Amino acid sequence: GQQLNQSPQSMFIQEGEDVSMNCTSSSIFNTWLWYKQDPGEGPVLLIALYKAGELTSNGRLTAQFGITRKDSFLNISASIPSDVGIYFCAGQLGANNLFFGTGTRLTVIP
Amino acid sequence: GAVVSQHPSRVICKSGTSVKIECRSLDFQATTMFWYRQFPKQSLMLMATSNEGSKATYEQGVEKDKFLINHASLTLSTLTVTSAHPEDSSFYICSARDQLGTSEIYNEQFFGPGTRLTVL
Repeated sequence: GQQLNQSPQSMFIQEGEDVSMNCTSSSIFNTWLWYKQDPGEGPVLLIALYKAGELTSNGRLTAQFGITRKDSFLNISASIPSDVGIYFCAGQLGANNLFFGTGTRLTVIP
Repeated sequence: GAVVSQHPSRVICKSGTSVKIECRSLDFQATTMFWYRQFPKQSLMLMATSNEGSKATYEQGVEKDKFLINHASLTLSTLTVTSAHPEDSSFYICSARDQLGTSEIYNEQFFGPGTRLTVL
């Protein structure tokens, strides 16, 4: 299957700090998505990106679809304790195929 | 809107028994549902795509005779793990795509809360 690598694997930050995480793939995707997963729960969609170069915001979250269509980043500004969780990128080719990244585990220290 | 439920949320079974997991779209119709498996500290891996009224499409390496999928209605898909073994212990998550496309996100998959299976 497709391999999507996320970095960093995990991060520990102080409340109020900004966060940045990346996702890279060896393949091109038509859509990039970012999800957050809390322990013992299913993932929840945060942001969807449809066009190369697109920059989209959702509150304190900002994500960009890389120009090469093989990468994306997610930024979280002014982190708060409830931002804790695992963030997954996902690439989508068509209507069905959704491939998840390796995940970034975020810990926010109050 | 766009809520997906799973039942049960947790199940513990003995090795060799079969376990059925249900995935329901509560407020929308879904011709297509997806089943994922997630091992501890790992990512979600697609197991199969479940199509209402037809056979499921399985990903490479997933045994269709071991993981039986039935999608008999537009709001329900079931995954049965047959003759479960300890290595089948995992977090199983389903998702459903809104048939009518009422989501603002094109082809959005709505995820269920997951089912944790432990096989003793």
